[in-house]
Amino acid sequence: EDQVTQSPEALRLQEGESSSLNCSYTVSGLRGLFWYRQDPGKGPEFLFTLYSAGEEKEKERLKATLTKKESFLHITAPKPEDSATYLCAVQGRGSSNTGKLIFGQGTTLQVKP
Amino acid sequence: DAGVIQSPRHEVTEMGQEVTLRCKPISGHDYLFWYRQTMMRGLELLIYFNNNVPIDDSGMPEDRFSAKMPNASFSTLKIQPSEPRDSAVYFCASTTRKAGAPDTQYFGPGTRLTVL
Repeated sequence: EDQVTQSPEALRLQEGESSSLNCSYTVSGLRGLFWYRQDPGKGPEFLFTLYSAGEEKEKERLKATLTKKESFLHITAPKPEDSATYLCAVQGRGSSNTGKLIFGQGTTLQVKP
Repeated sequence: DAGVIQSPRHEVTEMGQEVTLRCKPISGHDYLFWYRQTMMRGLELLIYFNNNVPIDDSGMPEDRFSAKMPNASFSTLKIQPSEPRDSAVYFCASTTRKAGAPDTQYFGPGTRLTVL
């Protein structure tokens, strides 16, 4: 069964204190791994798609990496506006998985000034 | 592009009443997904459509839930009768398939449902 586990559940950082969020996954053939940001009262906002092990993508202070078993979302010198819940999701290659994403429970990040 | 549009944004109803949630996907997207989000269970896929046809409704909790997609630009999720345990945020998302690429889903703002 496809599964996604995110850690930690919550993370508090001081402004400028870099850290990483983890997403461990099991899937029968990875079609893609996705990172989303969700602010309170809003829908998940797409950040990155990763296709294959070794791939990296960056956007401002965020950098996502992928291995065969996990993905990391690195946050460099975070600012208070980076505070949000970060969701990881995977899509498998099986025909029964067409279009379906399996989401983790998310990591809630709080960055204090 | 206006993105995925959902209405209403908030709905408060009493137990036993019928609730209808609405979604307009991004133009050109041929997949539409309905999710439910709660603190306890996170984001759960309820049902999804491809070219207006329901493909997988295994996540629909029970017969009180039904979804339709009469055309490419409109879908509804109906709960009848509603119960307090249906209280959650319901999201609609859409995507289109590109050869060889994962299917990035784009989410609407959600409908916060409260059943009293």
